[in-house]
Amino acid sequence: GAVVSQHPSWVICKSGTSVKIECRSLDFQATTMFWYRQFPKQSLMLMATSNEGSKATYEQGVEKDKFLINHASLTLSTLTVTSAHPEDSSFYICSARPQIGEQFFGPGTRLTVL
Amino acid sequence: QKEVEQDPGPLSVPEGAIVSLNCTYSNSAFQYFMWYRQYSRKGPELLMYTYSSGNKEDGRFTAQVDKSSKYISLFIRDSQPSDSATYLCAMIKGNTPLVFGKGTRLSVIA
Repeated sequence: GAVVSQHPSWVICKSGTSVKIECRSLDFQATTMFWYRQFPKQSLMLMATSNEGSKATYEQGVEKDKFLINHASLTLSTLTVTSAHPEDSSFYICSARPQIGEQFFGPGTRLTVL
Repeated sequence: QKEVEQDPGPLSVPEGAIVSLNCTYSNSAFQYFMWYRQYSRKGPELLMYTYSSGNKEDGRFTAQVDKSSKYISLFIRDSQPSDSATYLCAMIKGNTPLVFGKGTRLSVIA
């Protein structure tokens, strides 16, 4: 299957700082990428849909000024958590779609805000 | 009624058993059906992807779609302890976001 990478895999930061997470599709181009967060033993929660070259579409309740998404190329999307607080600590997972139907997930990034 | 229903389990089976995982859905517009496996603290891994009704086999895994009944299944033959994970069904219509089931936690006991 196609490969999606995320960097970093684990990050610890102080409250008030910003953290950037990168998501790359390694062997395919993805017009559409998705960002999810997941709390322990809970389902994936879609945060936003990102289309290359245009603004991301955020799900209801997700603050677009706090979770900045940039999809600058067909293989790279970034999620920046601005002014992170302990309640932002979570598992963030990106996903990329090479064509309608198939969707591949990255390995996830564990964010801990102290 | 939720769009996709999936029994969260947990489901515990002995090694070598055949495992049957199922989801039902309410929206007949769903076109693509997927099964993902997620290990703890990892991203979901795509196991099976189907478009039409019928069966699709890949190694020990068989995915089954019955659009008339709005019912999909994943069968795992000769289950192994390494199959212990959460299994998520997912489906989409067009280029919209995936709609997931809640996931079924499976434990295969050696």
